[in-house]
Amino acid sequence: QKEVEQDPGPLSVPEGAIVSLNCTYSNSAFQYFMWYRQYSRKGPELLMYTYSSGNKEDGRFTAQVDKSSKYISLFIRDSQPSDSATYLCALRKTSYDKVIFGPGTSLSVIP
Amino acid sequence: KAGVTQTPRYLIKTRGQQVTLSCSPISGHRSVSWYQQTPGQGLQFLFEYFSETQRNKGNFPGRFSGRQFSNSRSEMNVSTLELGDSALYLCASSGTSVLEQYFGPGTRLTVT
Repeated sequence: QKEVEQDPGPLSVPEGAIVSLNCTYSNSAFQYFMWYRQYSRKGPELLMYTYSSGNKEDGRFTAQVDKSSKYISLFIRDSQPSDSATYLCALRKTSYDKVIFGPGTSLSVIP
Repeated sequence: KAGVTQTPRYLIKTRGQQVTLSCSPISGHRSVSWYQQTPGQGLQFLFEYFSETQRNKGNFPGRFSGRQFSNSRSEMNVSTLELGDSALYLCASSGTSVLEQYFGPGTRLTVT
């Protein structure tokens, strides 16, 4: 079983839709959870990070962590064509530990 | 503030050769991490350097090595290249907020 699993997609939604992206993980030692966005032929870009369980909102993006279920989510409200990219979840056991990335979900927002 | 820069951007090498990739972090950042990204394995951690010392290491063979200089610039070296080493090699730097990693554009290595 991989440490972090993520539906690879591709996920295709109409502009304005609410997008839900998810990851599951197997090791309960993970405490730090990040979401990255990667456009084609670019390096990943950090969207947000959270510590432990709970929600965090930043503009149109909301990150949600449920440690009891080992499940993390990223919600994108009012999706835009510019949101079309691959979204990677990333986890860390401590703030100084190595980062483990999920395989990524490809998202396409259709105008 | 300039972002993370990586050189070269593209590289073609022959199996058995060695290669050195370079990364210049954001000014003031002391941590540099290296990752390998392939379609099959995704983004995998190679190693992290902080103040010229390796702080973390991933599960890659000893053919993959790195170093960091006093100005925080970092290099990674791959010896005895194999076809499977073809990948996008990404460098990321972080400053006082270690959770905020900033990635460079990557070096696309093709091994023939």
